[in-house]
Amino acid sequence: DAGVTQSPTHLIKTRGQQVTLRCSPISGHKSVSWYQQVLGQGPQFIFQYYEKEERGRGNFPDRFSARQFPNYSSELNVNALLLGDSALYLCASSFSTGEAYNEQFFGPGTRLTVL
Amino acid sequence: GESVGLHLPTLSVQEGDNSIINCAYSNSASDYFIWYKQESGKGPQFIIDIRSNMDKRQGQRVTVLLNKTVKHLSLQIAATQPGDSAVYFCAENRGGADKLIFGTGTRLQVFP
Repeated sequence: DAGVTQSPTHLIKTRGQQVTLRCSPISGHKSVSWYQQVLGQGPQFIFQYYEKEERGRGNFPDRFSARQFPNYSSELNVNALLLGDSALYLCASSFSTGEAYNEQFFGPGTRLTVL
Repeated sequence: GESVGLHLPTLSVQEGDNSIINCAYSNSASDYFIWYKQESGKGPQFIIDIRSNMDKRQGQRVTVLLNKTVKHLSLQIAATQPGDSAVYFCAENRGGADKLIFGTGTRLQVFP
């Protein structure tokens, strides 16, 4: 069975640009979460979506937005990129309904470099 | 602010020895504690989790211990193998949704 997939694998942008990252969850999973992992640190929670609705949001500015599609795939958008947005962006999916913890499965991530 | 942290940034062990990775947490209201393994260039991989009403849980070659009195979590890996070399993160879930709070990680190095 395919795991969580993310695209693109790597991305290079310049300050001020906008970026869209994509995630496809494991088949049957309806919950998708996004995390930012800066080099040398643990992942930080950005968003959780379940059934196309936002169920949780971390401490990130409004430049970060996301959405979930009817097929449960998701996109993360970041506007007005800053150098500090350079990180590995991880997507995770689970059977969660957004009400209780469920084991999350992570994708390989998208490495974003902002120059 | 509240956080999940680790005592040791790097742990070096000899192949075949047992490894113990420690983690301190600050929020006694957390429901679940989870250990993840992350290899270079990959996303975190679930190892084992434990609910807050448990003290110990065992998996294949791994054991997680939870001491709520001192807010301490540990991961024990038996007969450590070269394939266990990775960064290990503890994380906590504070009830509802999938939000995980991760620590900064411990690098486990296994040498022959």
